[in-house]
Amino acid sequence: EAQVTQNPRYLITVTGKKLTVTCSQNMNHEYMSWYRQDPGLGLRQIYYSMNVEVTDKGDVPEGYKVSRKEKRNFPLILESPSPNQTSLYFCASRGQGEETQYFGPGTRLLVL
Amino acid sequence: GQSLEQPSEVTAVEGAIVQINCTYQTSGFYGLSWYQQHDGGAPTFLSYNALDGLEETGRFSSFLSRSDSYGYLLLQELQMKDSASYFCALNTGFQKLVFGTGTRLLVSP
Repeated sequence: EAQVTQNPRYLITVTGKKLTVTCSQNMNHEYMSWYRQDPGLGLRQIYYSMNVEVTDKGDVPEGYKVSRKEKRNFPLILESPSPNQTSLYFCASRGQGEETQYFGPGTRLLVL
Repeated sequence: GQSLEQPSEVTAVEGAIVQINCTYQTSGFYGLSWYQQHDGGAPTFLSYNALDGLEETGRFSSFLSRSDSYGYLLLQELQMKDSASYFCALNTGFQKLVFGTGTRLLVSP
């Protein structure tokens, strides 16, 4: 089954404790992205990747890092999380030449 | 930068037709996409307009007018399961997407 998976689905952590949210897709897609969703603000793009080792900043990259060492994986790293990073995070992927963007199930993060 | 405006909420009854508008400001883009998101769920792709005009996919249609910086999503024969949030999004390059703040559609019996 074609899908985008994220782990963990829920996470409670404390300020400053490094964390990684994993994202994996099984569709051999070139393009991948991370978004955060906050009430009243819609989805905002954090980082995106156009292929292995090719990443770029989205609209809200501050406080986040990403890497794309393999085509299928695109982890999101919060080196020193802060309460303002409490949000719902979505990973997404899209094949080259396609318009359909496939979203993962989301990761709900609470930073205390 | 880019910005997109959508109504925050729209209500309609089952069987009706509803139009969700999206106006945008941008210096350039490749196309306008529409996504549906049910409460607690992930966004799912509905439609994409690269060119001006109407794109039809079953009960859903989407329209784009580049000269008016305007697009809309049209939902026909509304069903209760269509109650969800709907987002328009500008494709500004490769994987660069800018989303609107979303429109919550409430369908009543």
